[in-house]
Amino acid sequence: AQSVTQPDIHITVSEGASLELRCNYSYGATPYLFWYVQSPGQGLQLLLKYFSGDTLVQGIKGFEAEFKRSQSSFNLRKPSVHWSDAAEYFCAVGANSGYALNFGKGTSLLVTP
Amino acid sequence: KAGVTQTPRYLIKTRGQQVTLSCSPISGHRSVSWYQQTPGQGLQFLFEYFSETQRNKGNFPGRFSGRQFSNSRSEMNVSTLELGDSALYLCASSRGLAGGHTDTQYFGPGTRLTVL
Repeated sequence: AQSVTQPDIHITVSEGASLELRCNYSYGATPYLFWYVQSPGQGLQLLLKYFSGDTLVQGIKGFEAEFKRSQSSFNLRKPSVHWSDAAEYFCAVGANSGYALNFGKGTSLLVTP
Repeated sequence: KAGVTQTPRYLIKTRGQQVTLSCSPISGHRSVSWYQQTPGQGLQFLFEYFSETQRNKGNFPGRFSGRQFSNSRSEMNVSTLELGDSALYLCASSRGLAGGHTDTQYFGPGTRLTVL
């Protein structure tokens, strides 16, 4: 079955510093991969997604992610973090059937002044 | 364009009761999916409805059920509530295209269910 692992439960970065959140997936074929963000008390917002083509995907809010098949990874990056980026980030893979998503356990991002 | 709305936003029930949660998708969207979010298990897929038919189902007991109406609004029902059902229940809507995951899903703010 398709699954994703987010190795980092919590990450703390200083405002203005670069950010990389890790995501490893398990899937035989080319996966559908997603990054979502969840702010406190909010639902999930899609940052970006990958399903084919260019392996470097640009998303909203200045985020990008790179699909690396050889490493089974889909890491999320941002060159300069803002305090408003503090939130929970979820990596997800599309399940075989329909619209079901398998989510990782999430990475909580704390941004310090 | 209005987003996905979920009602109620907060709910407190006691063990053994049943509960119904509602989700109104974005106008024009025909697919509604439901997810349960808990600190221990994370986000887990419950089921997806398209054109009033359950199209996919996750690995949850039969106490969890849902339905979709002709206007695409969806409800999910949990019967005989257990303490472990305390969670944030999220719904997501999409156009429901045959391409599946190439179509973007938009999530609502969720309903926070507390079972005492």
